[in-house]
Amino acid sequence: QKEVEQDPGPLSVPEGAIVSLNCTYSNSAFQYFMWYRQYSRKGPELLMYTYSSGNKEDGRFTAQVDKSSKYISLFIRDSQPSDSATYLCAMSGIIQGAQKLVFGQGTRLTINP
Amino acid sequence: DGGITQSPKYLFRKEGQNVTLSCEQNLNHDAMYWYRQDPGQGLRLIYYSQIVNDFQKGDIAEGYSVSREKKESFPLTVTSAQKNPTAFYLCASEGLYYGYTFGSGTRLTVV
Repeated sequence: QKEVEQDPGPLSVPEGAIVSLNCTYSNSAFQYFMWYRQYSRKGPELLMYTYSSGNKEDGRFTAQVDKSSKYISLFIRDSQPSDSATYLCAMSGIIQGAQKLVFGQGTRLTINP
Repeated sequence: DGGITQSPKYLFRKEGQNVTLSCEQNLNHDAMYWYRQDPGQGLRLIYYSQIVNDFQKGDIAEGYSVSREKKESFPLTVTSAQKNPTAFYLCASEGLYYGYTFGSGTRLTVV
């Protein structure tokens, strides 16, 4: 079983739709949760960063963490064509005495005008 | 502007050849990382360095080597021992908050 599972998609939605991206994980030691956005042929850029359970909102983006279910989500409201990218979840924690960061596979998202 | 510069953007390697990918940062970050990205597999850690003159193997270090002689620089050499080197290579550094800054990547192709 992978430590972090993320549906690779592709996911295609019309402009203006609400997008929901999700990851599940198996290790309860993960404490920090991140979402990265990666445009084609570019490096990932940090989009959202949360610590432990709860919600965090930043403009049209909301990150949600449910540690009891080992499930994290990223919601995009009023989606725009410029949101078309691959979205990677990432999480980190102290595992076997060392800080470990693990990425999901990434979900390719296309917003259609 | 502070950031991470990777070069070259595209690199072609012949069979049996060693090639070196450059990674330079001006963010004054101590920790630097090399990842490999293949379609459908996410990011896999090759090597990382928490401090100058020290580095550790990641999950897929075989066929790769690194050096960290300066804080700003963390070059990656893909050796001939790496049998399947065609991939997108990403360098990252880590600052005070827990988030990585990535470079724009180098796409390596075996010809």
